[in-house]
Amino acid sequence: GEDVEQSLFLSVREGDSSVINCTYTDSSSTYLYWYKQEPGAGLQLLTYIFSNMDMKQDQRLTVLLNKKDKHLSLRIADTQTGDSAIYFCAETSGGYSTLTFGKGTMLLVSP
Amino acid sequence: EAQVTQNPRYLITVTGKKLTVTCSQNMNHEYMSWYRQDPGLGLRQIYYSMNVEVTDKGDVPEGYKVSRKEKRNFPLILESPSPNQTSLYFCASSLPGYEQYFGPGTRLTVT
Repeated sequence: GEDVEQSLFLSVREGDSSVINCTYTDSSSTYLYWYKQEPGAGLQLLTYIFSNMDMKQDQRLTVLLNKKDKHLSLRIADTQTGDSAIYFCAETSGGYSTLTFGKGTMLLVSP
Repeated sequence: EAQVTQNPRYLITVTGKKLTVTCSQNMNHEYMSWYRQDPGLGLRQIYYSMNVEVTDKGDVPEGYKVSRKEKRNFPLILESPSPNQTSLYFCASSLPGYEQYFGPGTRLTVT
């Protein structure tokens, strides 16, 4: 089946930039998502990108997509302690196809 | 407020005692899905439903049942729970091909 891989852990200091990376295998991926899960909470959609885009910026978040290498990254500028959470990369081929998640990257932001 | 609700949020039960976790959404979404989240394994899909009376197995369906008699509800049924079903469960809904909205999660412990 299709696979989505992420590094499991990232630690940064407050004010630094964070970059969370994701690779996927499905060449028919149409939509790629980043979800955030805070402790004890459900998943919240952070941002998404269509496969025909290379980059999307949304305030402190920048998503970069390298479709040739099937590599997706999420950059968080000026990382704050409130950004500490688990970040999930997910992809789908659209329509009624299912969403495939990575295992999540735990981001720890220290003061 | 648009949301996905799950009940109960926490449940401790014993092996073999049938239980149902309810899921309801108020966004008129066709697509609904159940996931379980386990440490180191990320989110794995249990069952999904493309519309009323249409359900299909996800990656880890063994030991679970679902039904979709109404568009808004998608209960998860464990006929005979076992300790390996101790997990954090999430329900999600979406329009076909669009981002999924997640419920707050149900933490189930089977002793």
